[in-house]
Amino acid sequence: EPEVTQTPSHQVTQMGQEVILRCVPISNHLYFYWYRQILGQKVEFLVSFYNNEISEKSEIFDDQFSVERPDGSNFTLKIRSTKLEDSAMYFCAGQLQGNTEAFFGQGTRLTVV
Amino acid sequence: GIQVEQSPPDLILQEGANSTLRCNFSDSVNNLQWFHQNPWGQLINLFYIPSGTKQNGRLSATTVATERYSLLYISSSQTTDSGVYFCAVLYNQGGKLIFGQGTELSVKP
Repeated sequence: EPEVTQTPSHQVTQMGQEVILRCVPISNHLYFYWYRQILGQKVEFLVSFYNNEISEKSEIFDDQFSVERPDGSNFTLKIRSTKLEDSAMYFCAGQLQGNTEAFFGQGTRLTVV
Repeated sequence: GIQVEQSPPDLILQEGANSTLRCNFSDSVNNLQWFHQNPWGQLINLFYIPSGTKQNGRLSATTVATERYSLLYISSSQTTDSGVYFCAVLYNQGGKLIFGQGTELSVKP
């Protein structure tokens, strides 16, 4: 069964460093998302991406964040200068169409020290 | 924006018991999904159920869209059912899901 794959599963980084979180969505999906979950809290929307551009972003998704789909298969989230409060689980998700079932990756646990 | 509220926030069951988890939402939705977050943090799809009733083994779900709620039923619970259950709704064409705060279920042997 096709699945969304995220790497790495866990990343520890020093405050101020850049990190890139990677995702390989299901091959026929067209809509892509990043969500985050701070420990013990609910899952929050960060950004949606369709047709090679951002279609919507939340207030959390400030200038420190960027997304890219560089080669038609990978989907990346970059945080330019990490802060302690960026520590969270980050989930990649995809949909075939914008209102169909969403499938999530297993998540990347980011720890900023 | 739309509000998604889940109840109860916490639930402790003995193995073999049944339970009902509820998700209320404040506006009309195009899509509703139930997820199980396991102890490793993975979000496992349970149901895609914008309306009607679906069953999958010991789990079933019902969404009454006109009354803006969804129910997740777990029968004959097992310790492996432990974790956090989230409902999430999509209420516009943008595609993003809005999550509730979850119900944390603990099933004791």
